[in-house]
Amino acid sequence: DAGVTQSPTHLIKTRGQHVTLRCSPISGHKSVSWYQQVLGQGPQFIFQYYEKEERGRGNFPDRFSARQFPNYSSELNVNALLLGDSALYLCASSMTGGLDTEAFFGQGTRLTVV
Amino acid sequence: GENVEQHPSTLSVQEGDSAVIKCTYSDSASNYFPWYKQELGKRPQLIIDIRSNVGEKKDQRIAVTLNKTAKHFSLHITETQPEDSAVYFCAAIPNTGFQKLVFGTGTRLLVSP
Repeated sequence: DAGVTQSPTHLIKTRGQHVTLRCSPISGHKSVSWYQQVLGQGPQFIFQYYEKEERGRGNFPDRFSARQFPNYSSELNVNALLLGDSALYLCASSMTGGLDTEAFFGQGTRLTVV
Repeated sequence: GENVEQHPSTLSVQEGDSAVIKCTYSDSASNYFPWYKQELGKRPQLIIDIRSNVGEKKDQRIAVTLNKTAKHFSLHITETQPEDSAVYFCAAIPNTGFQKLVFGTGTRLLVSP
């Protein structure tokens, strides 16, 4: 799992603001997925991207958006932040993003909305 | 949609004992079942996985079993050590056409010396 990097590691934002989180996958991996982990719970799926295309989306509002760049890095954007968006945001890297391939997580970005 | 249930929520054992964590899933088309270990404040770390074409997989002190008929899978840790203390998550990938990990609610394992 070494090699998935996320930035920033910590972030404090005010309600109503916008935030951009970044992820670089393991070299050679073409799929990036985003998860939200609220304290005390398991990660919840937000998006999967493969070869710069959105492959799947979880049950999150349209305030959440993402994209993947030609170098396979990815950004997660959240608009109009709410207090409930406070969580650890995890990026997962996978070789092909197939249904039976390993996914490796980055260290996450801890977002606090005040 | 896919649902994964995990038990127990907390598990306390003495060093050297075995620990077993059990999960059930709802989508019979799921074929891949990873287990992650998450230490406090750190990333979920993939520790072992199993695919539906096998019933058991072992890696040193860790083993996973899968019963596709019953839609159960379990993590077994033998000879537990204090450094095994962490939260363990099971997961499954439903047959949605994309890699969506559905996680269980987690098991907090505490290994006392």
